[in-house]
Amino acid sequence: SQQGEEDPQALSIQEGENATMNCSYKTSINNLQWYRQNSGRGLVHLILIRSNEREKHSGRLRVTLDTSKKSSSLLITASRAADTASYFCATRFTRQLTFGSGTQLTVLP
Amino acid sequence: DTEVTQTPKHLVMGMTNKKSLKCEQHMGHRAMYWYKQKAKKPPELMFVYSYEKLSINESVPSRFSPECPNSSLLNLHLHALQPEDSALYLCASSLLPAGQETQYFGPGTRLLVL
Repeated sequence: SQQGEEDPQALSIQEGENATMNCSYKTSINNLQWYRQNSGRGLVHLILIRSNEREKHSGRLRVTLDTSKKSSSLLITASRAADTASYFCATRFTRQLTFGSGTQLTVLP
Repeated sequence: DTEVTQTPKHLVMGMTNKKSLKCEQHMGHRAMYWYKQKAKKPPELMFVYSYEKLSINESVPSRFSPECPNSSLLNLHLHALQPEDSALYLCASSLLPAGQETQYFGPGTRLLVL
């Protein structure tokens, strides 16, 4: 069953702008991961943040985690047209990942 | 080799057909997964194999039958499917089943049931 909700459901920005997506979840977690999916393709892992971490960076990506609010955000800086994709957060508690509803990001050239 | 491969890329089948989806990884991962994804929805877990044994079955109908012949291969046998089973079927693997690792996804098989 779906663990989390993401907002916004869709986001459209100009190239060079920053994009922020939010994820809320319901239960305790071991870690939270973000994945990207280009249209109709497989998912690509972007970044993992553990439950005892608050912020993590990877290239143009910045992820925050607030376990007290059960929420996370993904910031993509200086977006590019190639960043156009669906972005999913996924939480891991026991043996499986549960995906959020996803944000469709469109970066306009 | 750091990828998960899936065949076929596309599959069209009738409701009386029997077909199989295949997934392969050579990363030494000991957990493999099948997900089903409908359009504009997140992936939904179907099955998990840990060390070649089925460890999670998310109440999937018996018309879907998974098989893990060895640590590198995962099959999904399809029989008497319904049109509502049309979806993107994703295979994934991770180093260990219950660890903190990420999952590596294949490109998926897009299935259409007529």
